Amino acid sequence: AQTVTQSQPEMSVQEAETVTLSCTYDTSESDYYLFWYKQPPSRQMILVIRQEAYKQQNATENRFSVNFQKAAKSFSLKISDSQLGDAAMYFCAYGGATNKLIFGTGTLLAVQP
Amino acid sequence: DTGVSQDPRHKITKRGQNVTFRCDPISEHNRLYWYRQTLGQGPEFLTYFQNEAQLEKSRLLSDRFSAERPKGSFSTLEIQRTEQGDSAMYLCASSSNRRGQGQETQYFGPGTRLLVL
Repeated sequence: AQTVTQSQPEMSVQEAETVTLSCTYDTSESDYYLFWYKQPPSRQMILVIRQEAYKQQNATENRFSVNFQKAAKSFSLKISDSQLGDAAMYFCAYGGATNKLIFGTGTLLAVQP
Repeated sequence: DTGVSQDPRHKITKRGQNVTFRCDPISEHNRLYWYRQTLGQGPEFLTYFQNEAQLEKSRLLSDRFSAERPKGSFSTLEIQRTEQGDSAMYLCASSSNRRGQGQETQYFGPGTRLLVL
C-alpha cells in the first residue's frame, strides 16, 4: 500500500523569505502523480502544484516549485518570497492507479510579518 | 465554473440520528470523490463514483454509511445511527477523466463539518 509522510508538523517563515516543506512517499507503482494542496483556516483545499512521475523536470507555478527525487521518493515544496496569504496547512498527496488520493498528515505553515 | 459545492456546511446532530450531506461537482466532471478529515489529519478516502457507478469503497465506510450519485450528477452521503466517532469534516472532490490525461486533478469543495453530540 502507498503511504505519504510529512515529517514537519509545523514550520515558520519570515515574510519575503523562502521555505521548503518536506514530503516522502512509498509506492511500488511506476506511474503516479504527486500533489501539494493548501488548506487555509476554515477554507477549502486548493491545488498548489502537481508533478507527473514520468517527468524529470520539476514542476513550477509562480512562487511555488517542487524538488522531485523519484529514486529517493521525495517530493518537497519550495515557497519563494513568502506572503502572509501563504499561511495555511499544506498537504502532500499521492495519486496512483486507484484514482483516490492518499494524503500526508500536513504541515502547518506560519508566515511572520 | 462555480466549483464544487457542499450542503450543509455545518451539521450538529445527536448520537443515533441519521444525517445526509449533498455534493454538487463541477458540471463537466464525471468523477466524484468523498473523503473524511479529522482534526490534525489529512483527508482519508471514503468512496468514489464515475458517472453514476460507485467504483470503490474504503474499509472506513462501514455499513452505516451509504453514498449515491443518481444520474451521475450530484451525490449524497448518508450516515445512519450516527456515533460520536463520526464527527469530522466530510470533503467532496470532483475530477474529469479525459482519456490519456492520467491521474486528473481533484478539485475540492468547502466540506461539511459534522458534530455528533
